[in-house]
Amino acid sequence: SQQGEEDPQALSIQEGENATMNCSYKTSINNLQWYRQNSGRGLVHLILIRSNEREKHRGRLRVTLDTSKKSSSLLITASRAADTASYFCAPYNDMRFGAGTRLTVKP
Amino acid sequence: EAQVTQNPRYLITVTGKKLTVTCSQNMNHEYMSWYRQDPGLGLRQIYYSMNVEVTDKGDVPEGYKVSRKEKRNFPLILESPSPNQTSLYFCASSPGRGYEQYFGPGTRLTVT
Repeated sequence: SQQGEEDPQALSIQEGENATMNCSYKTSINNLQWYRQNSGRGLVHLILIRSNEREKHRGRLRVTLDTSKKSSSLLITASRAADTASYFCAPYNDMRFGAGTRLTVKP
Repeated sequence: EAQVTQNPRYLITVTGKKLTVTCSQNMNHEYMSWYRQDPGLGLRQIYYSMNVEVTDKGDVPEGYKVSRKEKRNFPLILESPSPNQTSLYFCASSPGRGYEQYFGPGTRLTVT
């Protein structure tokens, strides 16, 4: 089975700082998705990047994909307290998730 | 409003008492799946369905059953719940495998 492994497991930053979290996977992919989960709630889709894309932006989110290293990163710029959540990646279409990165943004 | 609904949202039950958690989507999605989430383990897929009458096991199917008689509904059945099935359960749907998934609000199940 194919699932992403997020790193770090936990990240704590101050409001206004940038947050970077990483995802590694093992086999070839067609696309990779990032999701966000507020405590105890359902996951919400953030962004999908295809294997032929290297970078994608959505508002304060920037996702990169390096298929040669089998890794992706999610950058949240100018973070806010409301960004506090867990973030998950899902490579390809296996719809599987790792343990996620728990982001805490302190006001 | 496009959404995935789950019922009940909270359930406390006893070992061995059969229960069903319902899941319904109004987006005409073909793909639906069930996950459980436990602390430190992330989300683990229990079962998924590619379309009506087509279901398949995920990573942790033991102790669970599903059915997909209609496109919109994908109930999760625990025939004989045990305490190790205490968890937070999510249903999700998408137009197809590999597309954006829409998640329900979750069902918190406690088996005593």
